[in-house]
Amino acid sequence: DTGVSQNPRHKITKRGQNVTFRCDPISEHNRLYWYRQTLGQGPEFLTYFQNEAQLEKSRLLSDRFSAERPKGSFSTLEIQRTEQGDSAMYLCASSLEVTNSPLHFGNGTRLTVT
Amino acid sequence: KQEVTQIPAALSVPEGENLVLNCSFTDSAIYNLQWFRQDPGKGLTSLLLIQSSQREQTSGRLNASLDKSSGRSTLYIAASQPGDSATYLCAVMTSYDKVIFGPGTSLSVIP
Repeated sequence: DTGVSQNPRHKITKRGQNVTFRCDPISEHNRLYWYRQTLGQGPEFLTYFQNEAQLEKSRLLSDRFSAERPKGSFSTLEIQRTEQGDSAMYLCASSLEVTNSPLHFGNGTRLTVT
Repeated sequence: KQEVTQIPAALSVPEGENLVLNCSFTDSAIYNLQWFRQDPGKGLTSLLLIQSSQREQTSGRLNASLDKSSGRSTLYIAASQPGDSATYLCAVMTSYDKVIFGPGTSLSVIP
């Protein structure tokens, strides 16, 4: 068990470009969450998967954002036509399919849009 | 809509002091409450999880309590150490397994 892995750790991109982040959860974890965190704030919920099914999406997730978990294992989060306001830390977490299973977080991907 | 708040936003204490961090939530219909620690530039580490039917959980020098009816939780840290310096976040799990975070308390323990 190597924990939740996120790649890349840092991404700098120019406004208008597309970016994609990857999350590899703990192998036996069915649930996978994406959060966004800006400086001095707690993580904001973006979306949630149970296996390959995307069960909920936040209103924060505009049409420019899409997330997938095609085989119920790793997940990708894509942002199209990035804007400066997208600059943030993007965090992935996973847990077992049990209500009181704690979340395990990766170290996040820090996105800077110039 | 569930909202989670934390007081204070920042706290600075001398090494060795006992301290209490506070968390409040608006909707008592929760499955559990978790306390996390976050070091600068890193992800979150789960410290304690209290199920909705429980009143408290303990791990080493940490003790977390939950009063669901009043929408409050506290994290007690005994004999604080400089290594405890970090941001502490609480989070509640609502229906549909959604986890909502508070803004965090930034703790600094001065040697």
